[in-house]
Amino acid sequence: DAGITQSPRHKVTETGTPVTLRCHQTENHRYMYWYRQDPGHGLRLIHYSYGVKDTDKGEVSDGYSVSRSKTEDFLLTLESATSSQTSVYFCAISPGAPGANVLTFGAGSRLTVL
Amino acid sequence: GNSVTQMEGPVTLSEEAFLTINCTYTATGYPSLFWYVQYPGEGLQLLLKATKADDKGSNKGFEATYRKETTSFHLEKGSVQVSDSAVYFCAHEGRNSGNTPLVFGKGTRLSVIA
Repeated sequence: DAGITQSPRHKVTETGTPVTLRCHQTENHRYMYWYRQDPGHGLRLIHYSYGVKDTDKGEVSDGYSVSRSKTEDFLLTLESATSSQTSVYFCAISPGAPGANVLTFGAGSRLTVL
Repeated sequence: GNSVTQMEGPVTLSEEAFLTINCTYTATGYPSLFWYVQYPGEGLQLLLKATKADDKGSNKGFEATYRKETTSFHLEKGSVQVSDSAVYFCAHEGRNSGNTPLVFGKGTRLSVIA
């Protein structure tokens, strides 16, 4: 395995509750990403990080926040989950600039918001 | 803005048939181009890439050629197998350099039947 794990792998929660998804890597890669995958929309970027405490928004960042206090962990938080955030979330890592380096993806976290 | 357009799926083929999945992009300059594949229940993984015009990426019998004239990067395989059943994503760099993450297409689901 490439040394990237996501937790939890499956979660069911209720509307309005906070949810945190964790991405942990053992590769010491600089870049980390959170994507969501939905039918008809493919893969969409939520947030990404290009270093500790350096993060930026993606195309679907509303309703999500992230934190990266150390190289190995990238947390995605839904402050108040909504049904529209039901999705499969993927974390990815890369050692350097996105175009020049391969992305390695985690196995995904399936979130259901009731 | 930068975008990737790939053919709608699903695509259903018989084993040993020829596969083409079309991909076109809009971008500034000449970004690196990628095909990622997602097998059932897994995260995405890199299938092949091309970093400059006229480059051909190849892997596992799949090929794609970077065509700057037509801004295309079509994926082809001469004889598909049942094990090729997966979702295929075309992607490119957001910009030629810098931190900008990859831009993905919506994915094309391929089903190969015996």
